[in-house]
Amino acid sequence: DVKVTQSSRYLVKRTGEKVFLECVQDMDHENMFWYRQDPGLGLRLIYFSYDVKMKEKGDIPEGYSVSREKKERFSLILESASTNQTSMYLCASVTSGSNEQFFGPGTRLTVL
Amino acid sequence: SQQGEEDPQALSIQEGENATMNCSYKTSINNLQWYRQNSGRGLVHLILIRSNEREKHSGRLRVTLDTSKKSSSLLITASRAADTASYFCATARYSSASKIIFGSGTRLSIRP
Repeated sequence: DVKVTQSSRYLVKRTGEKVFLECVQDMDHENMFWYRQDPGLGLRLIYFSYDVKMKEKGDIPEGYSVSREKKERFSLILESASTNQTSMYLCASVTSGSNEQFFGPGTRLTVL
Repeated sequence: SQQGEEDPQALSIQEGENATMNCSYKTSINNLQWYRQNSGRGLVHLILIRSNEREKHSGRLRVTLDTSKKSSSLLITASRAADTASYFCATARYSSASKIIFGSGTRLSIRP
């Protein structure tokens, strides 16, 4: 059974803290994505990676960075968390040649 | 701006009835997908329809695509309580793994 896991289901951080969100997939997928989901706005793409050490900005990369040191792991970093980054964060992966994305369960981040 | 827009935003029906959700998009696409999201969880892929297809079935799901009107519909027949979820359409301009753009979703509630 294919699986995408995220390090935390719920996370509470303070303004200014550095936050790491981890995503791991066991499907040997080349492509991985980070989205944030906010009410009424759907899913918005933050960053994606199509190979190890490769990354591309999505629609809303400001305030975020990513790291892909290993194929199975894609990390989202909030360098200095702010209250407007309170959101649901979803990680997804997909194999090359396909558009079907497999999602993790999500991390609900609250920044106080 | 969002590529896919679902309509209606919310839908409440009686168990056993059929549910129809619509999605409109703006630019040409290679394929369109529908995903389901249970409350507080990640998204699950339901069905993909390619631009050269007009209709596709999967169990109780029926998807249609009208590229001339840039619209798609998802029909769930004989609804069940377990179908209560949010449903998102997602469009892809290319066949390979790349950015796909999600709509803001339709929230479906099935009344027992």
